[in-house]
Amino acid sequence: SSELTQDPAVSVALGQTVRITCQGDSLRSYYASWYQQKPGQAPVLVIYGKNNRPSGIPDRFSGSSSGNTASLTITGAQAEDEADYYCNSRDSSGVVFGGGTKLTVL
Amino acid sequence: QVQLVESGGGLVKPGGSLRLSCAASGFTFSDYYMSWIRQAPGKGLEWVSYISSSGSTIYYADSVKGRFTISRDNAKNSLYLQMNSLRAEDTAVYYCARVGYGSGRPYYYMDVWGKGTTVTVSS
Repeated sequence: SSELTQDPAVSVALGQTVRITCQGDSLRSYYASWYQQKPGQAPVLVIYGKNNRPSGIPDRFSGSSSGNTASLTITGAQAEDEADYYCNSRDSSGVVFGGGTKLTVL
Repeated sequence: QVQLVESGGGLVKPGGSLRLSCAASGFTFSDYYMSWIRQAPGKGLEWVSYISSSGSTIYYADSVKGRFTISRDNAKNSLYLQMNSLRAEDTAVYYCARVGYGSGRPYYYMDVWGKGTTVTVSS
């Protein structure tokens, strides 16, 4: 199966904008989905499809895609956005997750 | 409300078996694909398997193929994962999740997750 590559860690100053990226061959054919996971909790879907937010997800979260790279952008990061973020997509043999990005809000 | 509740986790010896269950409520279970995802201690998410709404289409990760079997009972609103020949590396929190997908440029996502059940494989 294919792989999705994420930076292990990213930091952002409170109120600033941060982009978390995800690279992989499957992203040339499929949109990525993005999940937020806080310690001890189940993941929460934050972005899916071209740029869709589930109900209850703040509009500071947005998604984009270009070539083999998908991006999750948080515009005006808040303290409560500190979490692990995972990308995910279908691939030819099933489903794949990225390794996750730990976001620190300074 | 829409809810998924996993059960069946526990401590099992290497080579042993365990059956996980996931009870769905608050939505029409038979309309949705479902998936199992796991997370080893301190590690990232790993997709395990998914099953179509009717049960006719099933995929497995290479790491569990031939050892795990996913199934569902739409009459009971339940998803299952039979795990055989368990190994230490199968130790993880196992989540069930509801699957959504879109066409055009396709996409696949998991929009409802349970809280997980812990499986520990150790002698």
